[in-house]
Amino acid sequence: AQKITQTQPGMFVQEKEAVTLDCTYDTSDPSYGLFWYKQPSSGEMIFLIYQGSYDQQNATEGRYSLNFQKARKSANLVISASQLGDSAMYFCRSSTLGRLYFGRGTQLTVWP
Amino acid sequence: DVKVTQSSRYLVKRTGEKVFLECVQDMDHENMFWYRQDPGLGLRLIYFSYDVKMKEKGDIPEGYSVSREKKERFSLILESASTNQTSMYLCASSDRDYGYTFGSGTRLTVV
Repeated sequence: AQKITQTQPGMFVQEKEAVTLDCTYDTSDPSYGLFWYKQPSSGEMIFLIYQGSYDQQNATEGRYSLNFQKARKSANLVISASQLGDSAMYFCRSSTLGRLYFGRGTQLTVWP
Repeated sequence: DVKVTQSSRYLVKRTGEKVFLECVQDMDHENMFWYRQDPGLGLRLIYFSYDVKMKEKGDIPEGYSVSREKKERFSLILESASTNQTSMYLCASSDRDYGYTFGSGTRLTVV
């Protein structure tokens, strides 16, 4: 089984600054995927970025990048140039062998 | 755009009632999922289905059942609602692991 740990229940960042949201995972499976989702107050889960366990490069999608450190089993989300609209709950997810595991989430607040 | 639609945004039911939560997707996805989300616990998988009439238990299936009679529709059933089933319920679908899309959620309150 996998376990996903998000150690930061809440984070605060000033607008236009970068912020890193932590995610560590625990697995012995050689093949897995790591995902980050954003959940604004409306409740929808919005897919942000994906990293495969065999990917050599860190994933990047616009202002989002994933700092993947395989040996440390961490997959931290980096948001550059934060915007007020980035205020939301952020979830890290893993998948392996068809099973899916979510972390408990980090509430990000961006202030002006 | 992939659309996953949950029939109700807010629902209030009485203890002991049978409750149906409906989820419909319009992209011919094979896989569909039901999660519940509670503060401090994140998302927990209740059931998932990878084909019509197929279902698999997730991590917390007790007190729930599901139905997948058609590919586009995945229903979550609370046979006898209890107050500890008050939660946000999220449906999701995917055709492969990468294309995973959530509905907007149903906030269920059992009184």
